[in-house]
Amino acid sequence: QKEVEQDPGPLSVPEGAIVSLNCTYSNSAFQYFMWYRQYSRKGPELLMYTYSSGNKEDGRFTAQVDKSSKYISLFIRDSQPSDSATYLCAMSRPYNTDKLIFGTGTRLQVFP
Amino acid sequence: DVKVTQSSRYLVKRTGEKVFLECVQDMDHENMFWYRQDPGLGLRLIYFSYDVKMKEKGDIPEGYSVSREKKERFSLILESASTNQTSMYLCASSLSDRGGYTFGSGTRLTVV
Repeated sequence: QKEVEQDPGPLSVPEGAIVSLNCTYSNSAFQYFMWYRQYSRKGPELLMYTYSSGNKEDGRFTAQVDKSSKYISLFIRDSQPSDSATYLCAMSRPYNTDKLIFGTGTRLQVFP
Repeated sequence: DVKVTQSSRYLVKRTGEKVFLECVQDMDHENMFWYRQDPGLGLRLIYFSYDVKMKEKGDIPEGYSVSREKKERFSLILESASTNQTSMYLCASSLSDRGGYTFGSGTRLTVV
């Protein structure tokens, strides 16, 4: 079993939709949670960074962590065609924050 | 704007060649990483380094070696390229006291 599971998609939604991207994990020691966005033929870029449980909002993006269920989510409101990309979740343990464990990524397509 | 620069975007090499992939970061980050990314397999860690002249094996080090002679530069070496090393190679760097990587744009290597 992988430490981090992520549905590969593709997920196809119309412009303006609310998108929900999710990851589950098995290691309860994870404390730091991140979302990366990767456009085609580019490297991943850090989108959201959260510590422990709770929500974090940044513009149209909300990251949510539910440690009791070992489940993290990224919500995108009012999705735009420019949001079309692959989204990777990543997480790490305390005192080992340098070593990230990545999900395989979910490909999102937002059509006009 | 912080940057991780990978020397080549696209490379085509022949089987058996020794291949060098170069990565330079300008952020004074202690940690540097080499990943390969393949469809369905996600990001897999090849090697990483926490300091100059220091290296540690990741999950798939076979067939690869690395060199870190200066803090800002981390090189990945394919000792004798094989077709199963055709992949997207991503370099990343991070600070030790917080999570979150900065990635380069990637090198798409094709071994024929």
